[in-house]
Amino acid sequence: AQSVTQPDIHITVSEGASLELRCNYSYGATPYLFWYVQSPGQGLQLLLKYFSGDTLVQGIKGFEAEFKRSQSSFNLRKPSVHWSDAAEYFCAVGAGGFKTIFGAGTRLFVKA
Amino acid sequence: DAGVTQSPTHLIKTRGQQVTLRCSPKSGHDTVSWYQQALGQGPQFIFQYYEEEERQRGNFPDRFSGHQFPNYSSELNVNALLLGDSALYLCASSLREGASYNSPLHFGNGTRLTVT
Repeated sequence: AQSVTQPDIHITVSEGASLELRCNYSYGATPYLFWYVQSPGQGLQLLLKYFSGDTLVQGIKGFEAEFKRSQSSFNLRKPSVHWSDAAEYFCAVGAGGFKTIFGAGTRLFVKA
Repeated sequence: DAGVTQSPTHLIKTRGQQVTLRCSPKSGHDTVSWYQQALGQGPQFIFQYYEEEERQRGNFPDRFSGHQFPNYSSELNVNALLLGDSALYLCASSLREGASYNSPLHFGNGTRLTVT
């Protein structure tokens, strides 16, 4: 069965520090992978997506993610975090048709 | 360019009642999906509508039903509400291009449903 695991429920980083959010997926075929961000009281916004090709994908707001098939991972990174990046981050996999399966999310806290 | 709009923003219902949530997709989009997001969880896929028909369905009981109108807007209906139905209900629209994910989901801000 398709699934997405985000091992970290919450992460705290200092402003200006680098960030990596972990994501592992389970899917039998070539996955379509996504990262979404959700600010409090808001819907989800797409940060980036991977379909095929270059395994390092660039997204909005300075985020990037690397697809590693051997590790079934799609970790999200940012070299320097800003206070405005504090939010909930969801990794997701396309599960056939238009169904998308989301992980439970990682809450990012940014300290000054 | 209007994004996805949902109404109402908040709703309080009593156990056993019925509720209808509404969604207008982003301009140019023809596909609407509904997700349930319980507190502290990721969104769970309920179903998707395209060309006024339910095309895919997640693991939700028949109490959850929907409709899509000719203008692509959609409704989510939940009957016989349970306390466990309390959640944020998110509508997402996209443009169907074959069966691919090339058109990403655009989410509304959701409707917060509380069942007492």
